[in-house]
Amino acid sequence: DTGVSQDPRHKITKRGQNVTFRCDPISEHNRLYWYRQTLGQGPEFLTYFQNEAQLEKSRLLSDRFSAERPKGSFSTLEIQRTEQGDSAMYLCASSLGAGSNGYTFGSGTRLTVV
Amino acid sequence: DQQVKQNSPSLSVQEGRISILNCDYTNSMFDYFLWYKKYPAEGPTFLISISSIKDKNEDGRFTVFLNKSAKHLSLHIVPSQPGDSAVYFCAASASNFGNEKLTFGTGTRLTIIP
Repeated sequence: DTGVSQDPRHKITKRGQNVTFRCDPISEHNRLYWYRQTLGQGPEFLTYFQNEAQLEKSRLLSDRFSAERPKGSFSTLEIQRTEQGDSAMYLCASSLGAGSNGYTFGSGTRLTVV
Repeated sequence: DQQVKQNSPSLSVQEGRISILNCDYTNSMFDYFLWYKKYPAEGPTFLISISSIKDKNEDGRFTVFLNKSAKHLSLHIVPSQPGDSAVYFCAASASNFGNEKLTFGTGTRLTIIP
């Protein structure tokens, strides 16, 4: 197991386009989290799943954002009609049980909207 | 509002000396605190955590201290090594209240001078 894997590592897109990111968690981890990090800030919580159920969504996750975790394995985060303000590092993390024991983060997907 | 604050954006310490990174929080519901370390182009890596029922937790060269009355925690690294140069994030959760998300500070960039 190579840890949490995110794809792609970098994405440049034109404003108004849709983008989709994928996260493959550590295989035995039942919880999966998405965070967003902008320059000079710490990671900000977006949403999390326990198995296939999406248990919490941040107010940061506007209607243009949707996340899924079919079958409780990998997850996708889609952003529709991208805006320049969506430019950020999107981090995925997974954990077995309560996240307070320390998530394992992936290396992130850096999105640049031009 | 910033519920977790790291007021020092950067810190430089001589190799072999003690590094002390500070973090303040405002939300009284936070009951679990974590420190993460982040290298460029990588996701954050879990370092050490502390529950609100303790005031100190030690793991090798890393010790975290919690002062609940002051809503303050600190990370001590001793002795500091060049490989410790990274950005350090403080994070908190209200896990006993069923809230699994982590709230991060803005980070402190630690530079160890050989």
